[in-house]
Amino acid sequence: GAGVSQSPSNKVTEKGKDVELRCDPISGHTALYWYRQSLGQGLEFLIYFQGNSAPDKSGLPSDRFSAERTGGSVSTLTIQRTQQEDSAVYLCASSLRAGVGTGELFFGEGSRLTVL
Amino acid sequence: GDSVTQMEGPVTLSEEAFLTINCTYTATGYPSLFWYVQYPGEGLQLLLKATKADDKGSNKGFEATYRKETTSFHLEKGSVQVSDSAVYFCALSPWGAQKLVFGQGTRLTINP
Repeated sequence: GAGVSQSPSNKVTEKGKDVELRCDPISGHTALYWYRQSLGQGLEFLIYFQGNSAPDKSGLPSDRFSAERTGGSVSTLTIQRTQQEDSAVYLCASSLRAGVGTGELFFGEGSRLTVL
Repeated sequence: GDSVTQMEGPVTLSEEAFLTINCTYTATGYPSLFWYVQYPGEGLQLLLKATKADDKGSNKGFEATYRKETTSFHLEKGSVQVSDSAVYFCALSPWGAQKLVFGQGTRLTINP
């Protein structure tokens, strides 16, 4: 497909388990973002990757959250020892180049995580 | 810190009504401003943007003007359609930063 692809679309897990969420950006897009959308909240920035530069991790809410981007393409967001407050929709976005002021972000449909 | 405040929803209008969704922001420097839209079952997509004061972004009949003096970027459309039903997000890109700061979103429903 031509868009940003995320998997799984839905994930239900038990408190304390680890989860991995995958994002496949649009081919050729050098920038990749993860956001979190909680019920009744806006979108919360988590992490940003740009090419081979060190990622901007300033939005990660705790050290249980981590993300990597392999080969400048696919990204995985990992949440360890999940808590109920981690329940949210996790959105991935990519853009052709750095600089959101000039470039458009293309979003996937999200991965809905429910922690029981 | 940088933030965006949007008009609370949900908003329900009849077809052909005039739409305004208010958005104000707090930011240092010179942010870029955006409206993103999320249609049912789809990912967020850029609706329009403005990168400097007094710029007007427009797309699909929607408009928003970057007002630095009132720190606002209100979304307007003269005649809404049922197909405009969606969640609308106002966002800013802080000057020099590589991320978007979003408002809470406003759910819009248009009845025929």
